[in-house]
Amino acid sequence: DQQVKQNSPSLSVQEGRISILNCDYTNSMFDYFLWYKKYPAEGPTFLISISSIKDKNEDGRFTVFLNKSAKHLSLHIVPSQPGDSAVYFCAASGGKLTFGTGTRLQVTL
Amino acid sequence: DAGVIQSPRHEVTEMGQEVTLRCKPISGHNSLFWYRQTMMRGLELLIYFNNNVPIDDSGMPEDRFSAKMPNASFSTLKIQPSEPRDSAVYFCASSWKGRESPLHFGNGTRLTVT
Repeated sequence: DQQVKQNSPSLSVQEGRISILNCDYTNSMFDYFLWYKKYPAEGPTFLISISSIKDKNEDGRFTVFLNKSAKHLSLHIVPSQPGDSAVYFCAASGGKLTFGTGTRLQVTL
Repeated sequence: DAGVIQSPRHEVTEMGQEVTLRCKPISGHNSLFWYRQTMMRGLELLIYFNNNVPIDDSGMPEDRFSAKMPNASFSTLKIQPSEPRDSAVYFCASSWKGRESPLHFGNGTRLTVT
């Protein structure tokens, strides 16, 4: 039973446009959420996080939005750059960190 | 900061053989995690240690898998006997204890069991 779901396995966006990656969760006990970025042949690296007491957190080009009533979060990247091409994992914590299956983002020129 | 170091980077073995994966966490981190990445299930937590003590091994798929952390700077994940369905990328990660402390991952070991 996948408690954290990333329903889009891949996404292609033009350079300079906005990338929106989505994540849904089922466990209402989750209260801390993170996004990790992964390049090929490397481990995931932490990107941005948000606590359930907030609905938005911003760090430069990256913004995470949390909608607790819908059990949904999203990562916005504006503007998208070719170096953003990677696999993005959503993760949720209610004590133990649970990851989604990832979304592969391709930023094209 | 050398980061989390995993070895080997690649392991190819025959079914039935024993496989040992190794991890050196970041110095000073007191939590260590083993994850397995597959296309179907993404990143699955296998086991995690806090202060060298296993806290939750509920993700270990079966008795063929075992993990140890004999000291704060070293951990192993062993599979015996290995099976083709164990083929995956295995990641080790470490962090400060604390839910808001992000995990620092190693570069993983790609295991292929033929």
